[in-house]
Amino acid sequence: DAKTTQPNSMESNEEEPVHLPCNHSTISGTDYIHWYRQLPSQGPEYVIHGLTSNVNNRMASLAIAEDRKSSTLILHRATLRDAAVYYCILSLVQNFVFGPGTRLSVLP
Amino acid sequence: DTGVSQNPRHKITKRGQNVTFRCDPISEHNRLYWYRQTLGQGPEFLTYFQNEAQLEKSRLLSDRFSAERPKGSFSTLEIQRTEQGDSAMYLCASSSRTGGNIQYFGAGTRLSVL
Repeated sequence: DAKTTQPNSMESNEEEPVHLPCNHSTISGTDYIHWYRQLPSQGPEYVIHGLTSNVNNRMASLAIAEDRKSSTLILHRATLRDAAVYYCILSLVQNFVFGPGTRLSVLP
Repeated sequence: DTGVSQNPRHKITKRGQNVTFRCDPISEHNRLYWYRQTLGQGPEFLTYFQNEAQLEKSRLLSDRFSAERPKGSFSTLEIQRTEQGDSAMYLCASSSRTGGNIQYFGAGTRLSVL
């Protein structure tokens, strides 16, 4: 399974942008890049996904490097509710392989 | 609520007992997944159904674990002769055939084996 590498933890101030990096140097041409987040005592929540081009939705933006070996999840204005563990996952078709993710703390 | 539903939310059992969890996926989703998550770790894949067919099973799914999805609707995960190491959050997710395999997760069933 293709693997991803993320920092263990990051901090941000409320209302500031947050850039969460992910390295996936062994990505294959057909792997989608997914981002999920998980709040305490809840299941993972879909944030965004992409294949080659940058993507935007109401929650976040996903910037994908030209060689696809890394990507960055961008939260444009962090709020206290964005404090969670963020997972970067490569997916072809079926099951996801989750790493430990990045624990994001948002400071008021 | 049209999301993925899991029951019960919490289960406490004694070692050696059998437990069964239920997952109701989003109604139009034909794919269903079970994951297990222990404290401080990301979820680990257990098994995957497409409609009623169980297409993939992880090596984590020992002989004491069995999952079913009769008629391609809800699914059950049974653990026989529970052990303390089975204590974890059991998560269910579902997805449709199209759309880049976006999986929608339930809130999970937390199992504590005493």
